[in-house]
Amino acid sequence: QKEVEQNSGPLSVPEGAIASLNCTYSDRGSQSFFWYRQYSGKSPELIMSIYSNGDKEDGRFTAQLNKASQYVSLLIRDSQPSDSATYLCAVKGTGGGNKLTFGTGTQLKVEL
Amino acid sequence: GAVVSQHPSWVICKSGTSVKIECRSLDFQATTMFWYRQFPKQSLMLMATSNEGSKATYEQGVEKDKFLINHASLTLSTLTVTSAHPEDSSFYICSAPPKAGGGTGELFFGEGSRLTVL
Repeated sequence: QKEVEQNSGPLSVPEGAIASLNCTYSDRGSQSFFWYRQYSGKSPELIMSIYSNGDKEDGRFTAQLNKASQYVSLLIRDSQPSDSATYLCAVKGTGGGNKLTFGTGTQLKVEL
Repeated sequence: GAVVSQHPSWVICKSGTSVKIECRSLDFQATTMFWYRQFPKQSLMLMATSNEGSKATYEQGVEKDKFLINHASLTLSTLTVTSAHPEDSSFYICSAPPKAGGGTGELFFGEGSRLTVL
């Protein structure tokens, strides 16, 4: 079982729609969860971080965390073509330090 | 916010040569930096943790004699790919936590270095 799992996609949504990206993780003791956006050929860019159960909103982005289900998601409202990228879910496990485990990423395509 | 700069952004070298990649924290001190490698259409895989003033910690399966890491100052870590081979061609990305000792897991990434070994 992979430590962090994501559907590779591509996930296609029309412009203006809500894009929903999902991620599950195996380390039940994980405490920190992150969503990174990665454009082709570029390095990852931090979009959202979430540490407690529930929702966290920042502009058009909402991260949702359910530790009981070991599930974290990212919603993108009013999707724009510029949101087209690969979204990486990253989890900090129970080990010390800042070591993150990344999922394989979900490719999002926002179509005009 | 915290800025991590990486150089070179891309490099092409001949098989058997060595290549050095630099990673700098521009506006903060980084006692720890992380080196990741990403093959096409795959996720980031942690190669090693670079520790200022001490030896790097390598992940399982990463050859420490091939991927030399030096973290000589609080703002600079280097990765040297020695005797590079075509299978080492990849996107190498460094990262650092924005706060020394910060344990939330948040990381800021350098721009990445694309290595092509002919």
